[in-house]
Amino acid sequence: DTEVTQTPKHLVMGMTNKKSLKCEQHMGHRAMYWYKQKAKKPPELMFVYSYEKLSINESVPSRFSPECPNSSLLNLHLHALQPEDSALYLCASSHQWTGGYEQYFGPGTRLTVT
Amino acid sequence: AQTVTQSQPEMSVQEAETVTLSCTYDTSESDYYLFWYKQPPSRQMILVIRQEAYKQQNATENRFSVNFQKAAKSFSLKISDSQLGDAAMYFCAYRSGAGNMLTFGGGTRLMVKP
Repeated sequence: DTEVTQTPKHLVMGMTNKKSLKCEQHMGHRAMYWYKQKAKKPPELMFVYSYEKLSINESVPSRFSPECPNSSLLNLHLHALQPEDSALYLCASSHQWTGGYEQYFGPGTRLTVT
Repeated sequence: AQTVTQSQPEMSVQEAETVTLSCTYDTSESDYYLFWYKQPPSRQMILVIRQEAYKQQNATENRFSVNFQKAAKSFSLKISDSQLGDAAMYFCAYRSGAGNMLTFGGGTRLMVKP
């Protein structure tokens, strides 16, 4: 099973809402990632978790709050977002976060902030 | 910091023909990995091919092959016998051997004409 799943596929939320994105993998990977991707642009790294601990936070605003409850799950909690946060949010995982292990990407959540 | 450049924002190819996508990168490291990812209109990013910098032999995966020129810091992707399903955004990516952060190029949109 080389699959990373993400829910929901689409999400529309107001600027005062609180919502969460969910990512799951069952490949035994110990590194998980959140990316933000704008249309026709490459993904931009937001967070990296290694062995369920936050390893990298790429200066992401606090209205984005990641959480890694266990080695298979990764959440991204959203609160008080801005319209410019509308984007495709991709989750990825890899065997470890060091070395040349390839990252497997999920299908993404298309987020629209109104 | 490493940079990855894809100089062709868009390319088109006739079905069954061969096309080459360009990628150059800048690094001072000797240990690194290079990847080509494909992102079809359905959004899921898929790994196409990977190349370890220490390997002189060019990587090949079925119809996909790379031309890795380490001295020139060039990493082009050749797609042979192009198929309609090859139409997608293609991202070239660099990863240091010491870390696991991917640096993406700006992407090349490939169109396949029937």
